[in-house]
Amino acid sequence: SAVISQKPSRDICQRGTSLTIQCQVDSQVTMMFWYRQQPGQSLTLIATANQGSEATYESGFVIDKFPISRPNLTFSTLTVSNMSPEDSSIYLCSVDGLAGDRDEQFFGPGTRLTVL
Amino acid sequence: AQKVTQAQTEISVVEKEDVTLDCVYETRDTTYYLFWYKQPPSGELVFLIRRNSFDEQNEISGRYSWNFQKSTSSFNFTITASQVVDSAVYFCALSRRAAGNKLTFGGGTRVLVKP
Repeated sequence: SAVISQKPSRDICQRGTSLTIQCQVDSQVTMMFWYRQQPGQSLTLIATANQGSEATYESGFVIDKFPISRPNLTFSTLTVSNMSPEDSSIYLCSVDGLAGDRDEQFFGPGTRLTVL
Repeated sequence: AQKVTQAQTEISVVEKEDVTLDCVYETRDTTYYLFWYKQPPSGELVFLIRRNSFDEQNEISGRYSWNFQKSTSSFNFTITASQVVDSAVYFCALSRRAAGNKLTFGGGTRVLVKP
């Protein structure tokens, strides 16, 4: 199975600042996904991070607010820009199944963000 | 558009009772995949099962079992002889193919198992 790490694991930020979340996978993967889980809610897909091309955003999410980078097949970053308290959530990255182990969709441990 | 509905927001049981979590989905695709995840209080998402739309066989894994009924678009999950460690939020999810595509999640069901 894939090992996915995220940094930071949690952070408390001030309104108006930005935070960049890193997602590192121990194997090369084609697609990486970023999800948001607001307090007490389910998970919502923010965008799909594609290596070598721009991320694909879901309805309601825009690049200016959530810029994403995908410099290689094992790494991606999500930036939460100009934060407000409404951005307080858990942010999770996910990767598609790896060769030989395609039954599972893997998730990172999440980044718990609190915006004051 | 795809949709997953988990009508039960919270279920409370006493240890050793069985608990069944309902999941109903909507999709226009003929090939799709269904998942169940567990999210304990620590927050990480733990994969439990994936089932593809062509495989309607029920599955049992230890105390866990799943009932997939395409005719009713349901993929229900049962925990037999529940334990306190089963206390968590459980999510049902749907994707167009097994991997490499986005998941649509249900709203989740919080299970509280009391000793």
